Amino acid sequence: DVKVTQSSRYLVKRTGEKVFLECVQDMDHENMFWYRQDPGLGLRLIYFSYDVKMKEKGDIPEGYSVSREKKERFSLILESASTNQTSMYLCASSFTDNYGYTFGSGTRLTVV
Amino acid sequence: AQSVTQLDSQVPVFEEAPVELRCNYSSSVSVYLFWYVQYPNQGLQLLLKYLSGSTLVKGINGFEAEFNKSQTSFHLRKPSVHISDTAEYFCGTSYGKLTFGQGTILTVHP
Repeated sequence: DVKVTQSSRYLVKRTGEKVFLECVQDMDHENMFWYRQDPGLGLRLIYFSYDVKMKEKGDIPEGYSVSREKKERFSLILESASTNQTSMYLCASSFTDNYGYTFGSGTRLTVV
Repeated sequence: AQSVTQLDSQVPVFEEAPVELRCNYSSSVSVYLFWYVQYPNQGLQLLLKYLSGSTLVKGINGFEAEFNKSQTSFHLRKPSVHISDTAEYFCGTSYGKLTFGQGTILTVHP
């Protein structure tokens, strides 16, 4: 089975800190995605990547950046964390569009 | 652009009753359709998907969904639910990237 691993289950950070959320997949998937999940809003796409060193903005990229230096790793970066970025962050990967996505367990980030 | 609307934010139901979770989508192109389930404190798990062909799709845990192109719907159904089906369910469409609806919380009462 494909496994998507997010490095932290819970994180607490201070306003203004630079925050790194790490995601690693072990099945050589081309595509990787970062979503944030908020009650009543579902999952909203932040950034995605179809290949190494490639990135595309999703629906809500403001305040975020990403890095994909290796195929298996996709990092989400909060340049200067703010309280409105308190949320659940989910990473996913896929082989192709019709294959379905495999999700990590999520990182619950609290910014105080 | 594609969008997904889940028509019910919460669906309470008694154990062994049937349930339908409604999903409408809009897209200017043909898309793939998915249903995912999220149990408390977990990531999302694929329930079923529609790519093409038969409009009735069967998934895991006894769930099925019907693709209706004329009504742009992809409703999820189960004839008899269990307590363990309590979870949040997400409908999604994919055309290069997966777009989700707002989610439906299914609560199964004993």
